[in-house]
Amino acid sequence: DTAVSQTPKYLVTQMGNDKSIKCEQNLGHDTMYWYKQDSKKFLKIMFSYNNKELIINETVPNRFSPKSPDKAHLNLHINSLELGDSAVYFCASSHGTGGGYEQYFGPGTRLTVT
Amino acid sequence: AQSVTQLDSQVPVFEEAPVELRCNYSSSVSVYLFWYVQYPNQGLQLLLKYLSGSTLVKGINGFEAEFNKSQTSFHLRKPSVHISDTAEYFCAVSFRGAGNMLTFGGGTRLMVKP
Repeated sequence: DTAVSQTPKYLVTQMGNDKSIKCEQNLGHDTMYWYKQDSKKFLKIMFSYNNKELIINETVPNRFSPKSPDKAHLNLHINSLELGDSAVYFCASSHGTGGGYEQYFGPGTRLTVT
Repeated sequence: AQSVTQLDSQVPVFEEAPVELRCNYSSSVSVYLFWYVQYPNQGLQLLLKYLSGSTLVKGINGFEAEFNKSQTSFHLRKPSVHISDTAEYFCAVSFRGAGNMLTFGGGTRLMVKP
């Protein structure tokens, strides 16, 4: 059974389009995250949700809007896509928010904006 | 400012040789330390973590790391590497009070040669 899954795995789209990436975890965790990995492999946190509430928003453009319909799902919607949005987006989940909890990562979604 | 630095972007090594991947951090608060591995086109997998207690931590696949508080380091070591260890390795830090958010180093590409 896949612990953290993301769909789609690959996403190719044109500038100006709107797209969504979905994430689901079956680990029973209450905290989920989105990270962005750029072309140089640098990983940076974008958002974190705990029990469906936004707790971390790391100065991400408001074209990015996360939505958590329940504890097991965290989706990422991106409006008006730009070339610079091309990256690999990883979803992750963990127990709790107090620090020191292992995060489990999904396989990533490679977004290419042309 | 809180930051994580991986001093080597690439480390080439011959099979069965020992290897050390270096990680330093900067923080004014307590930290929790992690090493993750990313195989090509995959998500991140936890190798090991340091939360408290013994400063020498053993992880999966024969890896270990040592926390050195005075030098603010958390270097990863393996006494004998295999071809299958070729991957990208990320040091990550969770700073106390930052909601379990991970701050990653820039990554080190370990290239094991036959």
